[in-house]
Amino acid sequence: RKEVEQDPGPFNVPEGATVAFNCTYSNSASQSFFWYRQDCRKEPKLLMSVYSSGNEDGRFTAQLNRASQYISLLIRDSKLSDSATYLCVVNSLILTGGGNKLTFGTGTQLKVEL
Amino acid sequence: DAGVTQSPTHLIKTRGQQVTLRCSPKSGHDTVSWYQQALGQGPQFIFQYYEEEERQRGNFPDRFSGHQFPNYSSELNVNALLLGDSALYLCASSFGPGLSSGNTIYFGEGSWLTVV
Repeated sequence: RKEVEQDPGPFNVPEGATVAFNCTYSNSASQSFFWYRQDCRKEPKLLMSVYSSGNEDGRFTAQLNRASQYISLLIRDSKLSDSATYLCVVNSLILTGGGNKLTFGTGTQLKVEL
Repeated sequence: DAGVTQSPTHLIKTRGQQVTLRCSPKSGHDTVSWYQQALGQGPQFIFQYYEEEERQRGNFPDRFSGHQFPNYSSELNVNALLLGDSALYLCASSFGPGLSSGNTIYFGEGSWLTVV
């Protein structure tokens, strides 16, 4: 089982649609959670952090359920410019050495169409 | 404020050769992590450097090695290149090896390595 699993995608949606991405993680010791956006042949960029209380940033809402080890991202009123790959990212603190490791899902591709 | 810079941006190597990729972290950051992203996959953690030491390592063979310099910049070296090493190599920087929601990680634009 992969440490971080995401919907396979691609998601093709019309402009204005609401789309939801789901992600599960297997390491119960994971500490923090993020959604990153990656455009074609570009580096990943932080979209938003994810908190248990849920957090919203404009059209984007992220939710974390620690009991179920489940993370979600909701995009409302999708725009053409939202077309990208969305990566679910889990940060785990490594006890030996004191470092941390980000584990990425394989990403879900979103295509917003006219 | 300079972000994370990587060089070279693109390179082509032959099987069996060695490659060195370079990274300068974002200003104020002291920790560098390296990731490999194969086509259609998410980035995979290679290792992390802090205080000029390798702090953590992912599931990569010893052919992958690195170094961090006193100015916090870093190098990734890959020996005996295989076709499967073809990927986008991403450098990410942060402040300190621990990470929380308030201490985000920033990626460079990456180095595209093609092994032929």
